[in-house]
Amino acid sequence: GESVGLHLPTLSVQEGDNSIINCAYSNSASDYFIWYKQESGKGPQFIIDIRSNMDKRQGQRVTVLLNKTVKHLSLQIAATQPGDSAVYFCAEILPYGGATNKLIFGTGTLLAVQP
Amino acid sequence: NAGVTQTPKFRILKIGQSMTLQCTQDMNHNYMYWYRQDPGMGLKLIYYSVGAGITDKGEVPNGYNVSRSTTEDFPLRLELAAPSQTSVYFCASKSDPGRNQPQHFGDGTRLSIL
Repeated sequence: GESVGLHLPTLSVQEGDNSIINCAYSNSASDYFIWYKQESGKGPQFIIDIRSNMDKRQGQRVTVLLNKTVKHLSLQIAATQPGDSAVYFCAEILPYGGATNKLIFGTGTLLAVQP
Repeated sequence: NAGVTQTPKFRILKIGQSMTLQCTQDMNHNYMYWYRQDPGMGLKLIYYSVGAGITDKGEVPNGYNVSRSTTEDFPLRLELAAPSQTSVYFCASKSDPGRNQPQHFGDGTRLSIL
């Protein structure tokens, strides 16, 4: 079946520490993955993406790792700040209807940054 | 730079009422999407459109209708509101060509059916 799930529904970290948010996906045909951040009362905000021909991609303070062998995705946030507190979703892209892409969202992980 | 704009932000409806959720984007994106997000859950696709005049069903289309008369606008219609449609609705768009492009989201419409 098609599913994208997260191991930890809530992650609490101290300000300044590094955060790691994990995600498992089930469809080995998926070739594009996105991490979104959703703050309270807002829509999902694009953070970083990665294609299946890559193992790692870095952005500003964020790194996404992809392990296709075990179908696992992670988001690493360096020096976590209070402004990073939000729900983080991974999303898996599958072909859908031949005309666009089906974006499969996981249920989300709440990142709580403690001062 | 407005991006994706949704109106209204909040709405309370009575069972059986109808309403239209508005979505407009100023990025000249051909692909547009409607999702619903239930509490503590991820997003589920309701309908999508690949361009003006073209729409198709997503995972959970029952009880909804859409139209796409222009590139900018993609309204979502609820004809007979039911309590099960209480949710937060998000509109999104993305550029094309290429499937490996992220979708950009509006801030949502919070809808309660009582």
